Amino acid sequence: DIQMTQSPSSLSASVGDRVTITCRASQRIDRYLNWYQQKPGTAPKLLIYTASSLQSGVPSRFSGSGSGTDFTLTISSLQPEDFATYYCQQSYNTPPWTFGQGTKVEI
Amino acid sequence: EVQLVESGGGLVQPGGSLRLSCDASGFTFSSYEMNWVRQAPGKGLEWVSYISASASSVYYGDSVRGRFTISRDNAKNSLYLQMDSLRAEDTAVYYCARLYVDAGYYFDSWGQGTLVTVSS
Repeated sequence: DIQMTQSPSSLSASVGDRVTITCRASQRIDRYLNWYQQKPGTAPKLLIYTASSLQSGVPSRFSGSGSGTDFTLTISSLQPEDFATYYCQQSYNTPPWTFGQGTKVEI
Repeated sequence: EVQLVESGGGLVQPGGSLRLSCDASGFTFSSYEMNWVRQAPGKGLEWVSYISASASSVYYGDSVRGRFTISRDNAKNSLYLQMDSLRAEDTAVYYCARLYVDAGYYFDSWGQGTLVTVSS
């Protein structure tokens, strides 16, 4: 199975900060990488698909990049509603489709 | 508006069984591949199972293969997960998630989740 490793596991930031989260795959996955945001007690929400495509309705301060094995999620100017846990997920080829362990963004 | 509503969770003893349901609305259910994803308390997300639109193809994660069975009823717009031989480590919130397929594959819609607790 493809393993996904996110870093950092958690970070502290302030409103207005630029935040970058990285995700590394254990093998090449082309651009089959998605990002989700999850707030406590709620279901995950799709932010970015196929590495860099912004899901409809998601603010443009979120962006994704990368291909192959290394990917990043960037929040250009952190807003109060962005404090959450972020997960990367690979969807290369057939299942199993694996998630990273998550990155908690805290104040 | 796409809606996915899970039900069927609860408390079950180790070795017991439970059947989860996910009722879909707001889209043509029979045209979409569906999945179950779970999250143990305080832990990350784990993909559990996949079923194709016609139910002709299914996949399972290693941790549930042989114990869980995914199915669907397109006439009822419903997705199911039959869980047998449950273990304490199956305790989690179970989400159904729609798979959107274009240039890639991604979970674009999720239900609110249903909690399964396996404990004596």
